Amino acid sequence: NAGVMQNPRHLVRRRGQEARLRCSPMKGHSHVYWYRQLPEEGLKFMVYLQKENIIDESGMPKERFSAEFPKEGPSILRIQQVVRGDSAAYFCASSPPGQNTEAFFGQGTRLTVV
Amino acid sequence: AQRVTQPEKLLSVFKGAPVELKCNYSYSGSPELFWYVQYSRQRLQLLLRHISRESIKGFTADLNKGETSFHLKKPFAQEEDSAMYYCALKGEYGNKLVFGAGTILRVKS
Repeated sequence: NAGVMQNPRHLVRRRGQEARLRCSPMKGHSHVYWYRQLPEEGLKFMVYLQKENIIDESGMPKERFSAEFPKEGPSILRIQQVVRGDSAAYFCASSPPGQNTEAFFGQGTRLTVV
Repeated sequence: AQRVTQPEKLLSVFKGAPVELKCNYSYSGSPELFWYVQYSRQRLQLLLRHISRESIKGFTADLNKGETSFHLKKPFAQEEDSAMYYCALKGEYGNKLVFGAGTILRVKS
């Protein structure tokens, strides 16, 4: 089991472009969580998804950000019209179904907006 | 509101010295707390969770509901313990976590 895979590891975008961050959960994991880490801050929850469903998006900015976890393929975090303030490390975690299960983290994608 | 506070950004100790990384939380329900560790250039890993009461790599943490704390302790620090440590609180459902800002532990030889 390769673990949670995120790509790309580093992404540079110009202001106004779109950023797409991908997360492939561990085998057998149907729950995915996205977190953002701004410089000098801890990880902040963004969104919790199960296959084809958004369960909790209370941490997502209201505009420009969206997330999906289709039936087939990785989970995608999409940021439209990026601004400098979007520069951060974005981490994905996955877990199997159930309450007392462990979430496993990917290595993150570092987004830099220039 | 759920909140996790780690007051120290950086903790620097000598090898063999005791270590205590502080964590305080705010949560109205029954908390479930975790410590995660991130070694240089590696992914975040679960170090321990309070419900399992384990000791991992010599680290322990006791939940103190009266002081709303979950401090991480190790009696004798090793150089390989140098890393970023995050305290986290589990939210209402699933595995949604609320993280503290993290503490960098540096163990000097």
